[in-house]
Amino acid sequence: EAGVAQSPRYKIIEKRQSVAFWCNPISGHATLYWYQQILGQGPKLLIQFQNNGVVDDSQLPKDRFSAERLKGVDSTLKIQPAKLEDSAVYLCASSPYTGELFFGEGSRLTVL
Amino acid sequence: ELKVEQNPLFLSMQEGKNYTIYCNYSTTSDRLYWYRQDPGKSLESLFVLLSNGAVKQEGRLMASLDTKARLSTLHITAAVHDLSATYFCAVDRGDYGGSQGNLIFGKGTKLSVKP
Repeated sequence: EAGVAQSPRYKIIEKRQSVAFWCNPISGHATLYWYQQILGQGPKLLIQFQNNGVVDDSQLPKDRFSAERLKGVDSTLKIQPAKLEDSAVYLCASSPYTGELFFGEGSRLTVL
Repeated sequence: ELKVEQNPLFLSMQEGKNYTIYCNYSTTSDRLYWYRQDPGKSLESLFVLLSNGAVKQEGRLMASLDTKARLSTLHITAAVHDLSATYFCAVDRGDYGGSQGNLIFGKGTKLSVKP
């Protein structure tokens, strides 16, 4: 069974530039999550989708971050404009039911 | 505010030794997760503990949950080098009125097993 796919794996940008990350969840998984993992910390939820509807985006910095899930499958996370403190690994996860999450390998963002 | 605290944050141990990682959380919960993360890799689910007194074992790792003490432990038996990784515990914010799958993670325990 294919896992959660993410791209790009690495991205380096200057502050105030924009960046987008893409995620393809495990087939059939209705729930999709974006987590932010800053170096040395545990992941923190940014946004959760159930099919193509947002369940929880309370921790998403909406002035610069946006996310969408097209047709209830793939998802994109965008940051515009990026700040230095956005340097982190952005992890996408999916779940067939609420509970056990399956994580992708992440997209590592460096903001200079 | 829901908090999850792990200790120790760093652990260096010799092969063949036993050790325990502790995970405390600030509010009652019936569900706790343990994940493993290798450098530059994603999180791999190790255990899902669903009730008070739950104990699960896989190879040299054993996890337990005491919901009354708000404590979970991850016990390592006769450590081997392949167990070197960072281990995270997490509780589900869904138990506190948030959305299910909104996990609150500890800071992680970086384990290094030396020959």
